[in-house]
Amino acid sequence: EVQLVESGGGLVKPGGSLRLSCAASGFTFSSYSMNWVRQAPGKGLEWVSSISSSSSYIYYADSVKGRFTISRDNAKNSLYLQMNSLRAEDTAVYYCARDYENLDVWGQGTTVTVSS
Amino acid sequence: DIQMTQSPSSLSASVGDRVTITCRASQGIRNDLGWYQQKPGKAPKRLIYAASSLQSGVPSRFSGSGSGTEFTLTISSLQPEDFATYYCLQHNSYLTFGGGTKVEIK
Repeated sequence: EVQLVESGGGLVKPGGSLRLSCAASGFTFSSYSMNWVRQAPGKGLEWVSSISSSSSYIYYADSVKGRFTISRDNAKNSLYLQMNSLRAEDTAVYYCARDYENLDVWGQGTTVTVSS
Repeated sequence: DIQMTQSPSSLSASVGDRVTITCRASQGIRNDLGWYQQKPGKAPKRLIYAASSLQSGVPSRFSGSGSGTEFTLTISSLQPEDFATYYCLQHNSYLTFGGGTKVEIK
């Protein structure tokens, strides 16, 4: 079964850091680009970042550029999102998603709350 | 950046109704568009990819059409389990979601 499982969310103070992880199983992880998408409470979906299969191409939304870093470890079938200088507006559920003809498989999400 | 304008933002409909949701791209995106259904507390689920291809396992009452800048998701006969929020997503240049359409019970 194709599966993505996020972890690492939690409560963090403004200006703090957090690292999210996404564990992939059931498919050849190293063959797919991957993405992070977030959803603030009561709001719509927002793309955050993308990384190609070999990490050659990396893209970020303007809202997180310079603060977030996406990475992956194909040997561990894992995707990461390092989030620094967190702000209240980064509070959201963060999803990882596989990129195949758009985003075909999603994880269940992990919640990040930025609050003092 | 490509903007996606989705309409309506919400609608009320009855079981059995035909429902149409539209997304308009700020520039041509060929058929690089998907449609997603999201229920409260759950991850989005893909319904349509490449503008009109039905995702495996998705009921045939869902259909997508369009190319270039105008796209439509149609539910031919609304079922109780279809009450949810729907999003379009373009992947022609980076990724951009539409604002969402909440489909509520009339």
